[in-house]
Amino acid sequence: NAGVTQTPKFQVLKTGQSMTLQCAQDMNHEYMSWYRQDPGMGLRLIHYSVGAGITDQGEVPNGYNVSRSTTEDFPLRLLSAAPSQTSVYFCASRRTRTSGNTIYFGEGSWLTVV
Amino acid sequence: KQEVTQIPAALSVPEGENLVLNCSFTDSAIYNLQWFRQDPGKGLTSLLLIQSSQREQTSGRLNASLDKSSGRSTLYIAASQPGDSATYLCAVRVEYGGSQGNLIFGKGTKLSVKP
Repeated sequence: NAGVTQTPKFQVLKTGQSMTLQCAQDMNHEYMSWYRQDPGMGLRLIHYSVGAGITDQGEVPNGYNVSRSTTEDFPLRLLSAAPSQTSVYFCASRRTRTSGNTIYFGEGSWLTVV
Repeated sequence: KQEVTQIPAALSVPEGENLVLNCSFTDSAIYNLQWFRQDPGKGLTSLLLIQSSQREQTSGRLNASLDKSSGRSTLYIAASQPGDSATYLCAVRVEYGGSQGNLIFGKGTKLSVKP
């Protein structure tokens, strides 16, 4: 049981480049979310999805796109990377939006934009 | 808008001390509250989850309490050890509205336990 898998673990980007952070879960969870964590800060919600084909914005969505074409995958796209997007990114999933207590986090993706 | 605050931001204690970490939230309409541990360069490990109808949860040397009406939770760590050194994060799960189901995190308390 792999749980929540994030790739890549580390990435360095140049300003203006685009990239996709991958997130996959094998638990048939409907609810998935992306957070970013900056030094001295807690986790802030970027985007979330309550099921395939349904996504919504969190607290800090600007500069990021998401899609949810399958239940398993929830990729996060940086369209034109900026130094302000240097951060650690966490993907998380739970059974549904309103039920289930256990939330599963991926190991994180460390992104540096130079 | 729900806001979660953790005090203190950092704490250094000698080994063996009992300690309390504090978490407060502005909106009492929460589904549950969860405490996480994060080691440097690592992901999150769930420590304790308290449902909104519960008052406390215990796991080993850890005890978390919840006072929903006053918007407060505490994480009590007994007989602290150097291995407890980490950042502790508190998160509330939104119960109603457009953000239902989402977690709102505090900024964390960085704990250092000195041998």
